Amino acid sequence: ETGVTQSPTHLIKTRGQQVTLRCSSQSGHNTVSWYQQALGQGPQFIFQYYREEENGRGNFPPRFSGLQFPNYSSELNVNALELDDSALYLCASSPGTQRETQYFGPGTRLLVL
Amino acid sequence: QKEVEQNSGPLSVPEGAIASLNCTYSDRGSQSFFWYRQYSGKSPELIMFIYSNGDKEDGRFTAQLNKASQYVSLLIRDSQPSDSATYLCAVGSGGYQKVTFGTGTKLQVIP
Repeated sequence: ETGVTQSPTHLIKTRGQQVTLRCSSQSGHNTVSWYQQALGQGPQFIFQYYREEENGRGNFPPRFSGLQFPNYSSELNVNALELDDSALYLCASSPGTQRETQYFGPGTRLLVL
Repeated sequence: QKEVEQNSGPLSVPEGAIASLNCTYSDRGSQSFFWYRQYSGKSPELIMFIYSNGDKEDGRFTAQLNKASQYVSLLIRDSQPSDSATYLCAVGSGGYQKVTFGTGTKLQVIP
């Protein structure tokens, strides 16, 4: 167990809806990164939050947004859900932003119908 | 060209053998290199990380990095059936430590 928790574990939504996924980072970690992992693929970097600010972003549209709170927990919000958004969403925490190892939570599996 | 490339496998090895997993990356500015193990339906679990050229050993696992060739590998000695999983190579670069993953190599250890 890494100490990173995510909720919910599973979620079913319909196309066009909005979803919020939550992540609590490991104690002492101030950086949270979010990844999307489609079936049979490696995780793809969505964005990273460091001390409540977005610190980097991958090739995802603006309908993917996030927040980090003072306790370093984080949310991923996805608006206007599309079928291709169906994936495992992973949160990873690390103690900093430079050359730091990241530890993953168990993930949230999202199915969009 | 993909940023991080791995052979998808499956790579089948007999129990007790050495499994060799390979990965190449395109960004010469990459600074950190990771190997994660992912069991089916689970999240990735960090096995090894390496920052400098050469070998790094941890138990049955050895990570090897060659920055000149932009190549990183993972050796698993005395492979066990419990090692059967997908192994993800990940490369960190950029000021904010963006981590890019390969698609993973599926390893099957045959009893």
